[in-house]
Amino acid sequence: GIQVEQSPPDLILQEGANSTLRCNFSDSVNNLQWFHQNPWGQLINLFYIPSGTKQNGRLSATTVATERYSLLYISSSQTTDSGVYFCAVVLLVTGGGNKLTFGTGTQLKVEL
Amino acid sequence: NAGVTQTPKFQVLKTGQSMTLQCAQDMNHEYMSWYRQDPGMGLRLIHYSVGAGITDQGEVPNGYNVSRSTTEDFPLRLLSAAPSQTSVYFCASSYRGRPGALPGANVLTFGAGSRLTVL
Repeated sequence: GIQVEQSPPDLILQEGANSTLRCNFSDSVNNLQWFHQNPWGQLINLFYIPSGTKQNGRLSATTVATERYSLLYISSSQTTDSGVYFCAVVLLVTGGGNKLTFGTGTQLKVEL
Repeated sequence: NAGVTQTPKFQVLKTGQSMTLQCAQDMNHEYMSWYRQDPGMGLRLIHYSVGAGITDQGEVPNGYNVSRSTTEDFPLRLLSAAPSQTSVYFCASSYRGRPGALPGANVLTFGAGSRLTVL
């Protein structure tokens, strides 16, 4: 099956710092998603991005499908950004719907 | 509009016991799925369904059964629980992909999770 690798596995930032998280995948995919899992375990969809660049506030994501990687940028980090960031590659299933294969995540801690 | 509702939120079982994790959605989503999350890992797909009466296996289906008798509900059954099934379980749903649909129209909505411990 498709392999999804994320780096770095852990990251500690001072509040206000910027960071880049990377997601590499081993095969062609229909789409790619970035999630934030907050300290309470809730999964929050950040981006649904098959290619190109999208921005939402302090977060932006870029996917280069031809080179099989995606990047998540966090600017001016805040303590509320802490948690685990997952990328997941999306394959469409017969009959409709998305089958996601997740990476192992980047654990981010933002300190004051 | 409650979204995706999972019950129970927490459950402790003994090895060999059976139980059902419930998942209900009120968004009229055709597609529903179950994932499990183990420590230090991402989520892995257990089973999924593209509509009532249709189910299929994901990446880690062994030890789990599902059925889809209605559009709204997609229960996950553990017939004989094992310690290896200790995990956090997430249910997710979406519209089915349709030609001409807006990009992202079939983005998954996740439930809050159910934490299961098997002793």
